[in-house]
Amino acid sequence: AQKVTQAQTEISVVEKEDVTLDCVYETRDTTYYLFWYKQPPSGELVFLIRRNSFDEQNEISGRYSWNFQKSTSSFNFTITASQVVDSAVYFCALTTSNFGNEKLTFGTGTRLTIIP
Amino acid sequence: GAGVSQSPSNKVTEKGKDVELRCDPISGHTALYWYRQSLGQGLEFLIYFQGNSAPDKSGLPSDRFSAERTGGSVSTLTIQRTQQEDSAVYLCASSLGAGGRVETQYFGPGTRLLVL
Repeated sequence: AQKVTQAQTEISVVEKEDVTLDCVYETRDTTYYLFWYKQPPSGELVFLIRRNSFDEQNEISGRYSWNFQKSTSSFNFTITASQVVDSAVYFCALTTSNFGNEKLTFGTGTRLTIIP
Repeated sequence: GAGVSQSPSNKVTEKGKDVELRCDPISGHTALYWYRQSLGQGLEFLIYFQGNSAPDKSGLPSDRFSAERTGGSVSTLTIQRTQQEDSAVYLCASSLGAGGRVETQYFGPGTRLLVL
C-alpha cells in the first residue's frame, strides 16, 4: 500500500517570507514517482514538478525548490520570497511504475495563505 | 495547446436523479483518469482508461458509478440514483500514456456536483 502524508494542514506566512511544505511518503516499491500540484481557488490542479526514485538531485525553479531525500522518505517544497499569488492548496502525490495504471495517491494537501 | 476540459462546471441535482459528467482530454493523450475530491475523503482515484483497453474500475465506490470513453478520446462519468454523499468535485486528468515510462497527468478544472 502507498501513503502520502502532509502533516501541515494550513500555513500562513507574511509576504516575502520563505515557507517549506512537508511531504512524507510510504511505498514498498523501489521505483516510484513523486509529484507536487498546486490548486488555486479556481480549483484546477496545476502540475509543478515530478521526481523519480532514482534521481535525488534537488531542483530549483525560480522561487521554487524541492528537496528529495530517500533516507527520510521526504519530498519537501520550499517557496522563497513568497507572494500573494502563491496562496493555494498544495498537494504531494505518489505513483509507482507499473507501465499501466499510474493512478496517483495524494496527500491531504496543505493550504498556504500568504498575507500581504 | 488546449488543456483538459470538463463540463458542466457545476451541477446541482436532486437525490435519486442520474447525472453525466464529461471530460475532453488533451489531444494526443491516450491515458485518461477520473478522480473525486471530497471534504471527507480527499483526492481519490476512480477509474483509468488507456487507449482501447478495458478500463481499470477498481476505484469506483459503488455500482451506481460507471464511465465510458468513446473513440479513445472523450469520456463520460455517469452516476445513477445520486446520493448526497456523491457531492464532490470530480476531476479528470490525461497523460500521454506512452508506455515504458510514467507520464505526468494534467488535470481539468473539475465538475462541482451538489446533490440536494
